[in-house]
Order: sequence, then C-alpha cells, then structure tokens
Amino acid sequence: QSVLTQPPSMSGAPGQRVTISCTGSSSNIGTGYDVHWYQHLPGTAPKLLIYGNNNRPSGVPDRFSGSKSGTSASLAITGLQAEDEADYYCQSYDSSLSDVVFGGGTKVTVL
Amino acid sequence: EVQLLESGGGLVQPGGSLRLSCAASGFTFSNYAMNWVRQAPGKGLEWVSAIRGSGVSTYYVDSVKGRFTISRDNSHNTVYLQMNSLRAEDTAVYYCAKDRGGGVNDGMDVWGQGTTVTVSS
Repeated sequence: QSVLTQPPSMSGAPGQRVTISCTGSSSNIGTGYDVHWYQHLPGTAPKLLIYGNNNRPSGVPDRFSGSKSGTSASLAITGLQAEDEADYYCQSYDSSLSDVVFGGGTKVTVL
Repeated sequence: EVQLLESGGGLVQPGGSLRLSCAASGFTFSNYAMNWVRQAPGKGLEWVSAIRGSGVSTYYVDSVKGRFTISRDNSHNTVYLQMNSLRAEDTAVYYCAKDRGGGVNDGMDVWGQGTTVTVSS
C-alpha cells in the first residue's frame, strides 16, 4: 500500500476533463514536499508530465496541469484525447519513511 | 540527445545476484542524482534507490536495504545497481531515471527503456 493514494481508474469521453487526485499525509505532501506526475504507457519509459506541483516540462501540452493543497495534489487533463489513455502516477517524498514514494497509479481510459 | 540505456537484466535463481548498468549521455552526468525505479508485473511504479551526483549519498527502499547497492562512475557516465540475495518479489522491469536536480525529489525527467529482471527457479 502506497502512502500516496490515487483512484485506481478514471474515464472520460474525448474532449472532457479528468482530474486525478493524489492524497497524502503530514509526512509527505502536507509537509511541503513537491509532487510530480508521470504518464506511463505499457512497454514504454515513464514520462514526466508535471514537476514541482504545477510546472510542465517543455513539450508537455498545456492540457495537463497540476495543483497542490494541504495534504493532496491533483492532475487535471482537459480536452481529453485518445492518446491520453495511459497510467498516471504521482510522486513525492515521505519524511517518515525517508523514501521517495509513488502513488499506486491511475489508469485513464478514453471512452 | 539526452539518453539513458540500461543493461544487465536477465533470469536469475532465488538467492542469486545481478548487476544492472545504466549508461547516460547528453548531459553533465555528475551534476544530477540518479534513481532506479521498478515495476513488478501487474503493479505500479516503485522507487528502489537513488544516489546523489557526487556518489557520496545513497538511499534505498526498506525492502532492498542490505541486499542492493547503488553506485556510479562519473568518469564513465554510468550508474549501477548491484542486486544480491534476489527474491521472487524482485521480479520487475527496472528503470534508470535521471533526477532534474541534485536532490532526490526534484522530479525524474529522463528515463531509460528498462531492463527486465526475473527471479525464478
């Protein structure tokens, strides 16, 4: 069980908005550690989508945005496209574990 | 082009050892922390280990402490993961990932394609 909790799956029609939550605690997100988000398609290398809570690396479409509040963070995908069908992971640091931690992942399906 | 290329995976018996390598190119290797992240079959991503740019500081998830050792050779732009006393639960695709900065929570912006480790008799 990860210390960062994500919904196992979400879905949406093309063009819709999907928001993935990442719930942590006072020993990770709540302490102020940054949250990062990754997109992972099976058989490929994971891709950094958001770093430092709300920053997009160059080349990542602005349809992807991140936010953080209290002990939680969120990844929003607007204008959902077929190519967005993938697994999404949040990642942060936990001071109790002294470990980098990933959320359990959310599988996004485009209907 | 910034690139990471892992090698060294394979089939090993329980209790055996493997050494994974990750060759980096296209960036100043010694300036960045490096990570190993794994994905077991049907599971999510799990951070395994990290090493700072100088190689002095290393970090491990509890399940591999005492069995795995991360190291780096900055003269050859390569990071290693020595895995001993392997268990069935270590079976996974192992990814090498570059940290965006010198720390261990800056976000991992470059990933290799992964190398598969299978622990089975």
